[in-house]
Order: sequence, then structure tokens, then C-alpha cells
Amino acid sequence: QVQLQESGPGLVKPSQTLSLTCTVSGGSISSGDNYWSWIRQPPGKGLEYIGYIYYSGNTYSTPSLKSRITIPMDTSKNQFSLKLTSVSAADTAVYFCARAGLHCSNGVCHQAPFDVWGQGTLVTVSS
Amino acid sequence: DIQLTQSPSTLSASVGDRVTITCRASQTLRGWLAWYQQKPGKAPNLLIYRGSTLETGVPSRFSGSGSGTEFTLTISSLQPDDFATYYCQQYDDYWTFGQGTKVEIK
Repeated sequence: QVQLQESGPGLVKPSQTLSLTCTVSGGSISSGDNYWSWIRQPPGKGLEYIGYIYYSGNTYSTPSLKSRITIPMDTSKNQFSLKLTSVSAADTAVYFCARAGLHCSNGVCHQAPFDVWGQGTLVTVSS
Repeated sequence: DIQLTQSPSTLSASVGDRVTITCRASQTLRGWLAWYQQKPGKAPNLLIYRGSTLETGVPSRFSGSGSGTEFTLTISSLQPDDFATYYCQQYDDYWTFGQGTKVEIK
């Protein structure tokens, strides 16, 4: 069974770059039709989808963050990452990595919801 | 992008109550609607996908229904373990979440 684990600094200074890594265990990041994703949750608030890297290497970022987001993948380490530039206090949140696969029926496939999540890591933006 | 609005934002209920949460979408979904349960300090847990299909291992007291722009999550008899926050999520066009519904003890 696939498991995910986030890692990275818990404190980032304003204007700097937030960098997190998600390590995938129990399966290969480059096999199968998986969307390896990042989701965040500000303290006491709801969930915000950030973006994904597809197993093939294609990426997507939510429009509100697109100019600041990079989501690279390192297949040799079975990891994918999140890099968010020019952070401010508004980027303080618990960051989750998660996996979505594909649901297929009668030869038609569609992206699925998130069935595997990391435990989340709190990143605080403060000087 | 597709917006989701959940109601109510907070729901006070007792053990044994039947509970219903509504999720309305800003445009028609082709049934690609999921529900998650989240407890404090934990990652969300997938309960239901495709609007009404229970994820493996989810108790049968949970059910989902709906189509088009309106979907519901129902807990037929609320149990102590069910006090949590629930989120709907559309995955018709990328992914977005509703704002959440907190189910608290009455």
C-alpha cells in the first residue's frame, strides 16, 4: 500500500521560498496513472488545492498560485516536491501531499479523488 | 473554476441523530463529487466518491446522493466517532473543495 510522508522546514521567512518534499513508499512514483498533488490548509480554515505533477511529468498549478509554484519530481528518490516563492504570512498552513489515480469505466477514464494522504506538515511564515 | 458551497457550516447533533450536509456546485458536475471526513490534526479521509460510492472500509451509515449541482452526505445514525469536519470535493475539473461542515456535539 502506498504511503506518503512530507518533509521540510517548519519555518520560512517572508519573501523566501518554501520547499517541501513528499516521499512515496510502497509504490513507484513513475508507474501508473497517478496525480501527485499538494493541498494546504491554513490554521482553522478549509482545504485549498495547490497543484499536481502527473506520473508522466506534466504539471498543473491552481491559477491563484501559478506564478509562484513549481512541482518537480525525482524518480530516482521516489519523491516529488513543492516550491513556493515569495511567501508571506498568508502562506502559513499545514501542507499535505496526496495521490489521486484514475477511475475508468467502459474504456473512459477520469481523474479520481485523493485516496492516499501524507500526515501533513505545518509551515509557518514569519521573520 | 468550479466553486462549491456547503451548508450548514456548523451542525450540532446528538449520537443517534440523522445528519444531512448539502454541497452545491457553481456549475453542473458529471457526478465527480467526493466527500471527506477530517479530524483535528489529521489528514482528510475519503468517504464517498462518484457522488454515492462508499470507499472501502467506510461504514454503511454514511451515504451520498445527488446530481447536477446539488449533492448530499447523510449519516443515518450519528456515532461518537463521527464528530468531525466534512468536506465535499469536485473532481470534474481539476479539484476544489467546499469550505467544510463541522459536526459538533449538541
